[in-house]
Amino acid sequence: GAVVSQHPSRVICKSGTSVKIECRSLDFQATTMFWYRQFPKQSLMLMATSNEGSKATYEQGVEKDKFLINHASLTLSTLTVTSAHPEDSSFYICSAKLAGGPGEQFFGPGTRLTVL
Amino acid sequence: ILNVEQSPQSLHVQEGDSTNFTCSFPSSNFYALHWYRWETAKSPEALFVMTLNGDEKKKGRISATLNTKEGYSYLYIKGSQPEDSATYLCASPTNAGKSTFGDGTTLTVKP
Repeated sequence: GAVVSQHPSRVICKSGTSVKIECRSLDFQATTMFWYRQFPKQSLMLMATSNEGSKATYEQGVEKDKFLINHASLTLSTLTVTSAHPEDSSFYICSAKLAGGPGEQFFGPGTRLTVL
Repeated sequence: ILNVEQSPQSLHVQEGDSTNFTCSFPSSNFYALHWYRWETAKSPEALFVMTLNGDEKKKGRISATLNTKEGYSYLYIKGSQPEDSATYLCASPTNAGKSTFGDGTTLTVKP
């Protein structure tokens, strides 16, 4: 099956710093990746769709200047949380989809971000 | 139904019990319905991709049904085992691939 890795798995940072999270498709090319955020006891909330070679598409209410997404290659998308604050503490998870059709998404293992 | 809803939120069963839970989704503009299993400290893994009304899919002791007209899907686990303990998510994707997830049903199977 298709494998997606995500790094780091856990990060603790001070308020005001920026944090970069990487999402890689290891054995397939992903023109589209998705970034989700999960609050405690809640569902996965789609933040943005990352498109290789073009700008990401952000969901309503997600600040694009706060959550910078770069999808520079067919196997790598990055999410940078800029000037992180405690309210940005959350679980962030990425996924990728094989091209076309109603097929499932393949998820990374997620990143737990704690901002002090 | 405007969102994807799952019930129950959590479930505790004894090993050997059979169980089922529900996913409700908007029936208008239906494209597909996905079921995922999410074990602790692992990535969510797809169980089923369902597209046709009346679909029934099976993988080992786990099966799922789909009713697109009324907007619901059932997931069944026969003879639950401790290794079935996980959160089961359903998701309703659009044809662009964007998925709306339910909150999940967390299943705990006691030995």
